[in-house]
Amino acid sequence: AQTVTQSQPEMSVQEAETVTLSCTYDTSESDYYLFWYKQPPSRQMILVIRQEAYKQQNATENRFSVNFQKAAKSFSLKISDSQLGDAAMYFCAYRSWGGADGLTFGKGTHLIIQP
Amino acid sequence: DSGVTQTPKHLITATGQRVTLRCSPRSGDLSVYWYQQSLDQGLQFLIQYYNGEERAKGNILERFSAQQFPDLHSELNLSSLELGDSALYFCASSVGLAGGNTGELFFGEGSRLTVL
Repeated sequence: AQTVTQSQPEMSVQEAETVTLSCTYDTSESDYYLFWYKQPPSRQMILVIRQEAYKQQNATENRFSVNFQKAAKSFSLKISDSQLGDAAMYFCAYRSWGGADGLTFGKGTHLIIQP
Repeated sequence: DSGVTQTPKHLITATGQRVTLRCSPRSGDLSVYWYQQSLDQGLQFLIQYYNGEERAKGNILERFSAQQFPDLHSELNLSSLELGDSALYFCASSVGLAGGNTGELFFGEGSRLTVL
């Protein structure tokens, strides 16, 4: 079974600075998806960014980018120019390419933005 | 707005009772997933349905059951409730069996269950 590990229960960053959230995963598969989801206080799960394992290029969505290291099974999220609205729980998630069992989530990182 | 609708948003009940949570997936999505989010366990996959049939099972207790109806809405039934069942229950949907060509799941806002 796949596992996803987020080793940072909580991170704090000053507004406008850059922060990196860590995620590692364990799998024997070669094709899969990786995701970062954001969960603000409203509790809604919001997709931040997605990476297909077969793509070597790191995904980028505006201020959010990932560092995908397939051999190391690492998938970190970098948030540039942090904003107060970025404060939330961030979950790293794994999904098999043909997986019918949905997403496997890490335990999350609570991101605090200091004004 | 993800397009996934869950009801009720909040539910308070007593131990030993039974509740039903309802989910309407995004228009056109055939797969429905149920997740449980509790403070100490994070987000746990419970069960998946695809076009009315059960396709995958996770850490779902025997006291819990689910089904997906012909109109594709799904219900999660929780019975003989215990204090530890208090959690946020999410429904998610996706286009196909494995999330289409993006793998993405779209989540509802969740149903918060409190068992007293």
